[in-house]
Amino acid sequence: EPEVTQTPSHQVTQMGQEVILRCVPISNHLYFYWYRQILGQKVEFLVSFYNNEISEKSEIFDDQFSVERPDGSNFTLKIRSTKLEDSAMYFCASNIGLARETQYFGPGTRLLVL
Amino acid sequence: ELKVEQNPLFLSMQEGKNYTIYCNYSTTSDRLYWYRQDPGKSLESLFVLLSNGAVKQEGRLMASLDTKARLSTLHITAAVHDLSATYFCAGVYSGGGADGLTFGKGTHLIIQP
Repeated sequence: EPEVTQTPSHQVTQMGQEVILRCVPISNHLYFYWYRQILGQKVEFLVSFYNNEISEKSEIFDDQFSVERPDGSNFTLKIRSTKLEDSAMYFCASNIGLARETQYFGPGTRLLVL
Repeated sequence: ELKVEQNPLFLSMQEGKNYTIYCNYSTTSDRLYWYRQDPGKSLESLFVLLSNGAVKQEGRLMASLDTKARLSTLHITAAVHDLSATYFCAGVYSGGGADGLTFGKGTHLIIQP
């Protein structure tokens, strides 16, 4: 069964460093998302992406964040200058594009900022 | 702004018992989702509820949606240990497939033998 994949599974970085989190959505899906989950808390929406542009973003998704679909299969989230509070699990999700369909989540990347 | 509230947030129950998790949302939500999350794992989709009165069942789990009351429920029948997990409901405001989900805080469910 097709699934969303993410790399790396874990990343440790120093505060102020740039990180890129990578996702490969399900191949025939058209909508892509990033969410984050701070340890023990609820899942929070960051951004959605469709047709090579941002469709919607939350207040969390400030100028430190950017997304890109560089090659038609990967979908990346970049954090330019990480802060301690960026430590979280980051989930990528994708949706085929039909409103009745669910969003399928990847396994996540656990980011730790020191 | 859509807000989603779940209750209870923690639930410990015995195997064989029935229970219901409630999900209230603040404004119109086009769709209502239920996800399951095991510790340290990703979110597994359980149900997508699209319209008022929608009811879906999978095994011991049944979800329903009342859009007039802005309420969805996840009912667990004859609970078994394997259903121990955190259950999230999520809503989405406005139409289209690109919308981000607004999640509740989750219900941490422990089922004891």
